[in-house]
Amino acid sequence: AQTVTQSQPEMSVQEAETVTLSCTYDTSESDYYLFWYKQPPSRQMILVIRQEAYKQQNATENRFSVNFQKAAKSFSLKISDSQLGDAAMYFCAYRSAGSNYQLIWGAGTKLIIKP
Amino acid sequence: ETGVTQSPTHLIKTRGQQVTLRCSSQSGHNTVSWYQQALGQGPQFIFQYYREEENGRGNFPPRFSGLQFPNYSSELNVNALELDDSALYLCASSLRTSGVNEQFFGPGTRLTVL
Repeated sequence: AQTVTQSQPEMSVQEAETVTLSCTYDTSESDYYLFWYKQPPSRQMILVIRQEAYKQQNATENRFSVNFQKAAKSFSLKISDSQLGDAAMYFCAYRSAGSNYQLIWGAGTKLIIKP
Repeated sequence: ETGVTQSPTHLIKTRGQQVTLRCSSQSGHNTVSWYQQALGQGPQFIFQYYREEENGRGNFPPRFSGLQFPNYSSELNVNALELDDSALYLCASSLRTSGVNEQFFGPGTRLTVL
């Protein structure tokens, strides 16, 4: 069975600085997707960025980028130029590329932005 | 905004009661997934419906059941509520095609069981 581990319960960063959130996963599959979701106090899960396992190039979305290391089964999220609105819980999630569409989630990292 | 809505926002029930939670999918989406998120934890997959049929289930007992309607709205029903059922319940809709099939989440229903 696949598992997702986020080892940092909480991280803090100064506004405008860069922070990296860690995620590792375990799977025997070769084809899958990885996601980072943001959950602000409003509770709604918002997709931040996604990575297809077959793509070697790391995904980038504006200030958000990932470091995808397939062999190491590592998928970290880098947030550049941190803003107050980035404060939230961040969840790493895995989904098989097969017929099972369920997302498997990590426990989350609480990101605090210091003004 | 994802276009996915859930009702009610909050709900308080007592142990042993039954509850129905509702989800309205994003227009055109044919798949809905339900997740349970206990306080301070990541979501856990309950089940998924595709074209009104259950299409996968997580490690949840049969007292958790669901429905998906022709208009792709959905219900999650929980019978014989237990204290541990207290959680945030999230639904997510998606359009099943080849590819990533991104899931769009609603704001959740906070269920408290006393």
